[in-house]
Amino acid sequence: SQTIHQWPATLVQPVGSPLSLECTVEGTSNPNLYWYRQAAGRGLQLLFYSVGIGQISSEVPQNLSASRPQDRQFILSSKKLLLSDSGFYLCAWSSGLAGNIQYFGAGTRLSVL
Amino acid sequence: QQPVQSPQAVILREGEDAVINCSSSKALYSVHWYRQKHGEAPVFLMILLKGGEQKGHEKISASFNEKKQQSSLYLTASQLSYSGTYFCGTEDTLSSNTGKLIFGQGTTLQVKP
Repeated sequence: SQTIHQWPATLVQPVGSPLSLECTVEGTSNPNLYWYRQAAGRGLQLLFYSVGIGQISSEVPQNLSASRPQDRQFILSSKKLLLSDSGFYLCAWSSGLAGNIQYFGAGTRLSVL
Repeated sequence: QQPVQSPQAVILREGEDAVINCSSSKALYSVHWYRQKHGEAPVFLMILLKGGEQKGHEKISASFNEKKQQSSLYLTASQLSYSGTYFCGTEDTLSSNTGKLIFGQGTTLQVKP
């Protein structure tokens, strides 16, 4: 069966520090991968998605970047965090076929202070 | 464009029914429904593909009217466990090869004893 792992679960970082969040998927190959951010009490904002290794599509211009160095690994990064980067970051995967379900990781709660 | 959900919030007593609506301005390939408990990741409920189908799972069902670009989630005889925030995610016909979903802002449902 397929599983998705995200870490860390919580993170507290000072303004201006770098960020690296990692997501890995097991039990499937060539998944579509997605990064979302959820501000407190708000909806899910799609940040990046990837349909293959090295292919990254950005949905919202911002202080973040994403990379997919391996088939089942998706990384969200920032060189210098802003206060507005605080939120709940969720990674998700799908099989890549139209209409297929997205499954979410447990998420990382990031507080930038 | 983000789909619009209504209502924004609902408070029910156990055993009462609720309807949550999701409306998009784009031609849709599919609509996905998720439920999120506080502090947790969204959990998949059901997917509806274009064709005007209706699906059901126990006391939770949904419909999809592709001509009107609308979907509705029906919760009957609500239980305490139904409490949470419900999100619709829409997949438009132009993005169907990426599996990309755009989520509505969410509907908060609270079921009281």
